[in-house]
Amino acid sequence: ILNVEQSPQSLHVQEGDSTNFTCSFPSSNFYALHWYRWETAKSPEALFVMTLNGDEKKKGQISATLNTKEGYSYLYIKGSQPEDSATYLCAYHHPNNQGGKLIFGQGTELSVKP
Amino acid sequence: DTAVSQTPKYLVTQMGNDKSIKCEQNLGHDTMYWYKQDSKKFLKIMFSYNNKELIINETVPNRFSPKSPDKAHLNLHINSLELGDSAVYFCASSQSGNGYTFGSGTRLTVV
Repeated sequence: ILNVEQSPQSLHVQEGDSTNFTCSFPSSNFYALHWYRWETAKSPEALFVMTLNGDEKKKGQISATLNTKEGYSYLYIKGSQPEDSATYLCAYHHPNNQGGKLIFGQGTELSVKP
Repeated sequence: DTAVSQTPKYLVTQMGNDKSIKCEQNLGHDTMYWYKQDSKKFLKIMFSYNNKELIINETVPNRFSPKSPDKAHLNLHINSLELGDSAVYFCASSQSGNGYTFGSGTRLTVV
Protein backbone atom coordinates (compact mmCIF):
# COMPACT_ATOMS: atom_id res chain seq x y z
CA ILE A 1 0.00 0.00 0.00
CA LEU A 2 1.42 3.36 -1.01
CA ASN A 3 0.89 6.00 1.66
CA VAL A 4 1.29 9.71 1.30
CA GLU A 5 1.07 11.60 4.56
CA GLN A 6 0.93 15.29 5.21
CA SER A 7 1.42 17.20 8.41
CA PRO A 8 0.06 19.11 10.06
CA GLN A 9 -3.55 18.43 9.12
CA SER A 10 -4.43 22.09 9.76
CA LEU A 11 -2.61 25.25 10.56
CA HIS A 12 -3.82 28.65 11.74
CA VAL A 13 -1.41 31.56 11.40
CA GLN A 14 -1.47 35.33 11.45
CA GLU A 15 -0.94 37.44 8.37
CA GLY A 16 2.78 37.91 7.82
CA ASP A 17 3.79 34.64 9.47
CA SER A 18 5.93 32.22 7.53
CA THR A 19 4.91 28.61 7.59
CA ASN A 20 5.84 25.21 6.28
CA PHE A 21 4.23 21.80 5.84
CA THR A 22 5.57 18.33 5.27
CA CYS A 23 4.69 15.62 2.79
CA SER A 24 6.03 12.07 3.28
CA PHE A 25 5.95 9.56 0.45
CA PRO A 26 7.49 6.21 -0.55
CA SER A 27 11.17 6.74 -1.30
CA SER A 28 11.64 3.66 -3.47
CA ASN A 29 10.96 3.80 -7.22
CA PHE A 30 10.38 7.56 -7.11
CA TYR A 31 9.03 9.30 -10.21
CA ALA A 32 7.60 12.71 -9.27
CA LEU A 33 5.97 14.63 -6.46
CA HIS A 34 3.21 17.17 -7.12
CA TRP A 35 1.97 20.03 -4.95
CA TYR A 36 -1.50 21.51 -5.40
CA ARG A 37 -3.35 24.42 -3.87
CA TRP A 38 -7.05 23.83 -3.33
CA GLU A 39 -9.39 26.66 -2.38
CA THR A 40 -12.85 25.86 -1.07
CA ALA A 41 -15.43 25.39 -3.84
CA LYS A 42 -12.74 25.45 -6.52
CA SER A 43 -10.62 22.80 -8.21
CA PRO A 44 -7.06 21.88 -7.18
CA GLU A 45 -4.53 24.10 -8.89
CA ALA A 46 -1.05 22.81 -9.72
CA LEU A 47 1.81 24.54 -7.90
CA PHE A 48 4.85 22.38 -8.55
CA VAL A 49 5.92 19.12 -10.13
CA MET A 50 9.21 17.98 -8.63
CA THR A 51 11.29 15.17 -10.01
CA LEU A 52 14.91 15.42 -8.88
CA ASN A 53 16.37 14.84 -5.46
CA GLY A 54 17.38 18.21 -4.04
CA ASP A 55 14.95 20.06 -6.33
CA GLU A 56 13.85 23.46 -5.10
CA LYS A 57 11.01 25.28 -6.80
CA LYS A 58 9.56 28.72 -6.19
CA LYS A 59 6.39 30.53 -7.20
CA GLY A 60 6.01 33.96 -5.65
CA GLN A 61 6.23 33.56 -1.89
CA ILE A 62 5.70 29.78 -2.06
CA SER A 63 8.62 27.40 -2.41
CA ALA A 64 9.14 23.66 -2.13
CA THR A 65 12.04 21.30 -1.59
CA LEU A 66 12.38 17.61 -2.33
CA ASN A 67 14.33 14.78 -0.72
CA THR A 68 13.67 11.58 -2.63
CA LYS A 69 16.17 9.49 -0.67
CA GLU A 70 14.33 9.94 2.61
CA GLY A 71 10.91 10.44 1.05
CA TYR A 72 9.80 13.92 2.06
CA SER A 73 9.02 17.31 0.61
CA TYR A 74 8.52 20.64 2.37
CA LEU A 75 6.28 23.46 1.20
CA TYR A 76 7.15 26.91 2.56
CA ILE A 77 5.05 30.06 2.49
CA LYS A 78 6.94 33.24 3.34
CA GLY A 79 4.86 36.07 4.81
CA SER A 80 1.43 34.37 4.59
CA GLN A 81 -1.49 36.45 3.38
CA PRO A 82 -5.22 35.80 3.93
CA GLU A 83 -5.49 34.87 0.24
CA ASP A 84 -3.05 32.01 0.87
CA SER A 85 -5.78 30.31 2.93
CA ALA A 86 -6.45 27.00 1.19
CA THR A 87 -5.77 23.29 1.47
CA TYR A 88 -2.35 22.33 0.20
CA LEU A 89 -2.16 18.84 -1.27
CA CYS A 90 0.85 16.82 -2.17
CA ALA A 91 0.59 13.84 -4.49
CA TYR A 92 3.01 11.05 -5.21
CA HIS A 93 3.14 10.27 -8.89
CA HIS A 94 3.06 6.48 -9.17
CA PRO A 95 5.24 5.61 -12.14
CA ASN A 96 3.38 2.58 -13.46
CA ASN A 97 1.15 2.85 -16.54
CA GLN A 98 1.11 5.55 -19.17
CA GLY A 99 0.15 8.83 -17.61
CA GLY A 100 0.63 7.34 -14.16
CA LYS A 101 -1.66 8.08 -11.29
CA LEU A 102 -1.43 10.50 -8.41
CA ILE A 103 -1.76 9.24 -4.87
CA PHE A 104 -2.82 12.19 -2.76
CA GLY A 105 -2.13 13.02 0.84
CA GLN A 106 -5.02 14.24 2.97
CA GLY A 107 -3.87 17.84 2.69
CA THR A 108 -2.84 20.59 5.08
CA GLU A 109 -5.57 23.15 5.62
CA LEU A 110 -4.06 26.59 6.06
CA SER A 111 -5.99 29.48 7.52
CA VAL A 112 -4.34 32.91 7.55
CA LYS A 113 -6.00 35.51 9.74
CA PRO A 114 -5.65 39.21 8.98
CA ASP B 1 -12.44 29.26 -21.79
CA THR B 2 -12.55 26.59 -19.07
CA ALA B 3 -9.68 24.15 -19.55
CA VAL B 4 -11.41 21.14 -17.95
CA SER B 5 -15.16 21.42 -17.69
CA GLN B 6 -17.51 19.02 -15.95
CA THR B 7 -21.27 18.90 -16.10
CA PRO B 8 -23.39 18.97 -14.12
CA LYS B 9 -21.89 20.78 -11.14
CA TYR B 10 -24.55 19.36 -8.83
CA LEU B 11 -26.57 16.20 -9.22
CA VAL B 12 -29.26 15.01 -6.84
CA THR B 13 -30.89 11.72 -7.70
CA GLN B 14 -32.70 8.80 -6.17
CA MET B 15 -31.24 5.41 -5.33
CA GLY B 16 -31.41 2.97 -8.19
CA ASN B 17 -31.22 5.59 -10.92
CA ASP B 18 -28.61 5.68 -13.68
CA LYS B 19 -26.75 8.93 -14.24
CA SER B 20 -23.84 10.33 -16.24
CA ILE B 21 -21.27 13.01 -15.57
CA LYS B 22 -19.55 14.58 -18.55
CA CYS B 23 -16.01 15.92 -18.81
CA GLU B 24 -14.30 17.80 -21.59
CA GLN B 25 -10.81 19.27 -21.82
CA ASN B 26 -9.55 21.76 -24.39
CA LEU B 27 -5.88 21.56 -23.47
CA GLY B 28 -4.91 18.93 -26.03
CA HIS B 29 -3.82 16.59 -23.21
CA ASP B 30 -3.45 12.91 -23.95
CA THR B 31 -4.60 11.55 -20.59
CA MET B 32 -7.81 12.04 -18.64
CA TYR B 33 -8.82 10.83 -15.20
CA TRP B 34 -11.72 10.48 -12.80
CA TYR B 35 -11.05 11.00 -9.11
CA LYS B 36 -13.46 10.61 -6.21
CA GLN B 37 -13.22 12.71 -3.07
CA ASP B 38 -14.06 10.35 -0.27
CA SER B 39 -15.66 11.10 3.09
CA LYS B 40 -12.26 11.92 4.60
CA LYS B 41 -11.67 14.36 1.74
CA PHE B 42 -8.97 12.24 0.11
CA LEU B 43 -8.84 12.36 -3.67
CA LYS B 44 -8.68 8.78 -4.95
CA ILE B 45 -8.23 7.76 -8.54
CA MET B 46 -10.96 5.75 -10.20
CA PHE B 47 -10.02 5.62 -13.88
CA SER B 48 -7.44 6.89 -16.31
CA TYR B 49 -7.60 6.99 -20.10
CA ASN B 50 -4.68 7.66 -22.40
CA ASN B 51 -5.58 8.47 -26.00
CA LYS B 52 -9.04 6.92 -25.53
CA GLU B 53 -7.58 3.73 -24.09
CA LEU B 54 -8.35 2.62 -20.53
CA ILE B 55 -5.08 2.59 -18.59
CA ILE B 56 -6.06 2.54 -14.94
CA ASN B 57 -9.13 0.95 -13.47
CA GLU B 58 -8.91 0.96 -9.69
CA THR B 59 -11.09 -1.17 -7.50
CA VAL B 60 -14.32 0.51 -8.41
CA PRO B 61 -17.72 -1.25 -8.56
CA ASN B 62 -18.57 -2.21 -12.13
CA ARG B 63 -21.67 -0.02 -11.83
CA PHE B 64 -19.21 2.74 -12.73
CA SER B 65 -18.31 2.77 -16.40
CA PRO B 66 -16.13 5.39 -18.03
CA LYS B 67 -16.47 6.18 -21.71
CA SER B 68 -14.01 8.13 -23.82
CA PRO B 69 -15.44 8.94 -27.26
CA ASP B 70 -12.31 10.93 -28.11
CA LYS B 71 -9.17 12.31 -26.46
CA ALA B 72 -10.95 15.43 -25.28
CA HIS B 73 -13.84 13.73 -23.50
CA LEU B 74 -14.15 11.29 -20.63
CA ASN B 75 -17.62 10.64 -19.31
CA LEU B 76 -18.58 8.67 -16.23
CA HIS B 77 -21.74 6.62 -16.22
CA ILE B 78 -23.08 5.20 -12.98
CA ASN B 79 -25.75 2.50 -12.90
CA SER B 80 -28.06 1.65 -10.02
CA LEU B 81 -26.90 4.48 -7.80
CA GLU B 82 -26.45 3.74 -4.11
CA LEU B 83 -26.37 6.05 -1.10
CA GLY B 84 -22.64 5.40 -0.70
CA ASP B 85 -21.96 6.84 -4.15
CA SER B 86 -22.64 10.31 -2.78
CA ALA B 87 -19.37 12.22 -3.12
CA VAL B 88 -17.64 14.87 -5.18
CA TYR B 89 -16.23 13.52 -8.44
CA PHE B 90 -13.37 15.32 -10.15
CA CYS B 91 -12.25 15.00 -13.72
CA ALA B 92 -8.65 15.88 -14.61
CA SER B 93 -6.33 15.82 -17.58
CA SER B 94 -2.59 15.82 -18.10
CA GLN B 95 -0.02 15.48 -20.82
CA SER B 96 1.50 12.09 -20.04
CA GLY B 97 1.08 12.60 -16.31
CA ASN B 98 2.83 15.96 -16.04
CA GLY B 99 0.92 18.58 -14.03
CA TYR B 100 -2.74 17.73 -13.81
CA THR B 101 -5.50 20.22 -14.54
CA PHE B 102 -8.67 19.51 -12.60
CA GLY B 103 -12.28 20.27 -13.34
CA SER B 104 -14.39 22.04 -10.73
CA GLY B 105 -16.02 18.84 -9.51
CA THR B 106 -19.52 17.36 -9.57
CA ARG B 107 -21.25 16.96 -6.24
CA LEU B 108 -23.42 13.86 -6.45
CA THR B 109 -26.05 13.33 -3.79
CA VAL B 110 -28.02 10.10 -3.80
CA VAL B 111 -31.20 10.18 -1.75
